[in-house]
Formats: sequence, structure tokens, C-alpha cells
Amino acid sequence: GENVEQHPSTLSVQEGDSAVIKCTYSDSASNYFPWYKQELGKRPQLIIDIRSNVGEKKDQRIAVTLNKTAKHFSLHITETQPEDSAVYFCAPGGAGSYQLTFGKGTKLSVIP
Amino acid sequence: IAGITQAPTSQILAAGRRMTLRCTQDMRHNAMYWYRQDLGLGLRLIHYSNTAGTTGKGEVPDGYSVSRANTDDFPLTLASAVPSQTSVYFCASSVEHRTSSGANVLTFGAGSRLTVL
Repeated sequence: GENVEQHPSTLSVQEGDSAVIKCTYSDSASNYFPWYKQELGKRPQLIIDIRSNVGEKKDQRIAVTLNKTAKHFSLHITETQPEDSAVYFCAPGGAGSYQLTFGKGTKLSVIP
Repeated sequence: IAGITQAPTSQILAAGRRMTLRCTQDMRHNAMYWYRQDLGLGLRLIHYSNTAGTTGKGEVPDGYSVSRANTDDFPLTLASAVPSQTSVYFCASSVEHRTSSGANVLTFGAGSRLTVL
């Protein structure tokens, strides 16, 4: 099965700084790379995803970059705000959603 | 109902008791899932169903069973609860696509917090 690792497990940044979370996976057949955000006490929600035929995708202050050769993808958050404080999960996988394997999560704290 | 509804929101249960967590969606999604979330372990897939009438085992299926009699409902049953099943359980659904061009976006319910004593 897929082996997924996220780094770091916790991250603290000052408001306005950038944050980067890296996700490493083992299955070279993975072709779908999403990031989910879970605020305290809430349900996980998709914030951005990318497919294997694309190297980078941006949506306002967040972006995802993919390096298929090295089997890792990263979440980039620029101009961080207190509402970005949450746990972020990567979930690489194949074409079927049941094939998604979630990482253990990264707790991001944005300090005002 | 809008999206996915889970019940109960929380439950304390004695070990050895049977428990069913309910999950209903009104989005006509063909695929549904049950995850458990434990601190430091992320979300782990228990069981899934790609379409009504079919189910499959995920990463941690032991001690759990599911059924999918129709598109909307996907209950999770603990036949004889044990303390290690204390967790937060999330039901999710998606429009399942078999090709890489499809979107695999999961929509989650609000979760059910289960404590087994």
C-alpha cells in the first residue's frame, strides 16, 4: 500500500509569513494529489488538488507543487493569516477515492 | 438535509455493546466512505462503497461492518465495541470517477465522537 509522510508535523509562523508543508509518497502509480484543511472541531475540507500531468497549481494565497520523479508534493501558503491555523492533510492516491491515503497531518499555527 | 448527516454526534458506549453509526447524504454521490481519526494518526479508511450494493475493506476494517442498501445511506456497525475503537468517525462521499481525469473530491460529514469504556 501507499506510504505517506508529511513534514513537518507542527509548524508555527508569524502572520504574513509563508508556510510550506511537504508530503512524500511511495506509490509511483499515484496520479492525484489533494490537500485537505481541518479546523479545530470541524470536518476536513478540500482546499486544493493537482493531477500528475500538472506541475503546479495556484488558488489565491495557496499553491501546490508536484515533483513526480522524487515522489513528493508540497502545499504553499503565502501571506498567512490567523484563519489559516488548522491541521493540513495530504492524501495522494489513484483514480478511485477509496485509494486515497491520508498523511498524519501538519498542525499549522499562525501567530498574530 | 444538505450534504452529509451523521448521527449520533457523540456517544459513550460500554465495551461489548453493539453500536451503529448512521450516515446519510442527499447529493446522490455514488461513493461513500467511513474514516476514523485518532490523534497523530490522521484519517484511516475503515470501509468504502463505490456504489449501492457493493462495499470494500479499507486500511483498518477489523471489528467494523457496513452495508449499502441504497445510494443515500451507509451505516457503520461495531458488533462488539472495544476501547481501542474510541475515536472520531467521519463519513464521506464523492462522485466516483474511474479515470484520472475525474475529480475525487471527498465531502465529509461533521463526525461522530465515540467513547468505548
